[in-house]
Amino acid sequence: GESVGLHLPTLSVQEGDNSIINCAYSNSASDYFIWYKQESGKGPQFIIDIRSNMDKRQGQRVTVLLNKTVKHLSLQIAATQPGDSAVYFCAENSSGTYKYIFGTGTRLKVLA
Amino acid sequence: EAQVTQNPRYLITVTGKKLTVTCSQNMNHEYMSWYRQDPGLGLRQIYYSMNVEVTDKGDVPEGYKVSRKEKRNFPLILESPSPNQTSLYFCASSPGMISGNTIYFGEGSWLTVV
Repeated sequence: GESVGLHLPTLSVQEGDNSIINCAYSNSASDYFIWYKQESGKGPQFIIDIRSNMDKRQGQRVTVLLNKTVKHLSLQIAATQPGDSAVYFCAENSSGTYKYIFGTGTRLKVLA
Repeated sequence: EAQVTQNPRYLITVTGKKLTVTCSQNMNHEYMSWYRQDPGLGLRQIYYSMNVEVTDKGDVPEGYKVSRKEKRNFPLILESPSPNQTSLYFCASSPGMISGNTIYFGEGSWLTVV
């Protein structure tokens, strides 16, 4: 499961600090966005989503920010824990289409 | 438990030997899809199905076939596997693909073709 993440950018953070992972999306018509977490050897897991009529959405310890002007999405993780270590990637979708575009992902490493 | 189940999880096969990766979901989802994940690339869609007996090509369909005879099952068939099909494969399902429906993924199938 490790080889998928070999070429990914890596963000290293100290345990307890906040993490910010960024994603530039490609289609200005996209109006629905999801963040996924993928742990080694596992399938992607849904974390949080946001629609284009919002610019911020909060979950438990996670916040997603959407800036449509510059087509940018970010995922903020508060008080990062060792269990947060994984690859995180965004996905975008536009209404009425059956297609999602997935980002390549960022590897988050939590340092003890 | 709601889940997407793929089998096998790991497989090493030889060039040209037909294989099938099964996928089953227990959420009564209409939409199912297959993706492959390769180093440095995002998930790329192989085939998808909007409902029983309705399938369509994704971005990288060459060398693959699918079928959707029942709502819960969506097998991926490699009629004559080649080394460039060595990859990590994910099956996914969703209630329906009108914008805003979350995709649920299986645990992945590591396929090596030698």
